[in-house]
Amino acid sequence: KAGVTQTPRYLIKTRGQQVTLSCSPISGHRSVSWYQQTPGQGLQFLFEYFSETQRNKGNFPGRFSGRQFSNSRSEMNVSTLELGDSALYLCASSFQGEETQYFGPGTRLLVL
Amino acid sequence: ELKVEQNPLFLSMQEGKNYTIYCNYSTTSDRLYWYRQDPGKSLESLFVLLSNGAVKQEGRLMASLDTKARLSTLHITAAVHDLSATYFCAVVTYGQNFVFGPGTRLSVLP
Repeated sequence: KAGVTQTPRYLIKTRGQQVTLSCSPISGHRSVSWYQQTPGQGLQFLFEYFSETQRNKGNFPGRFSGRQFSNSRSEMNVSTLELGDSALYLCASSFQGEETQYFGPGTRLLVL
Repeated sequence: ELKVEQNPLFLSMQEGKNYTIYCNYSTTSDRLYWYRQDPGKSLESLFVLLSNGAVKQEGRLMASLDTKARLSTLHITAAVHDLSATYFCAVVTYGQNFVFGPGTRLSVLP
């Protein structure tokens, strides 16, 4: 069974730009969650999607958004990038959201 | 606001020794997760604890949950070098938001 994939793996952007990250969950998994990891703030929950609906959302500004497609693939978008958005962005999938999560390798975003 | 603390934040231990990492949280919770992260890598799920008194074991690691004390423990038995990593707990609130602890950096020395 293929694992969770994230693309791209590395990304460099400049302030003010926007970025879209993609996550393909394990086949059959319907829940996809996104997390941000920075040295200063640690791990923080962004949002969770289940069956194309945002089910939960963390405390991030509206510049951070996401969506989930009918095949459970998910994208997150960050608009008007700030230096502080430089982070490792992780996505995780699970069957329904309350069980073991399986993480992708992450996307490292650097904002200059 | 839910706060999650871990103790200790740094742990250096000898191979073969036992130790416990503690995870305290401030409000009632729906469930608790433990994760492992190797340097420069993604997260790996270790345990999901769903109810008071839950205990799960995998190899040299055992996790338990006491919802009344708002405390989870991750016990390491006879540590080996391969267990060197950062361990995070995360608590899920009834609003279904994840809140992570700051992580415990474990170094197992030969």
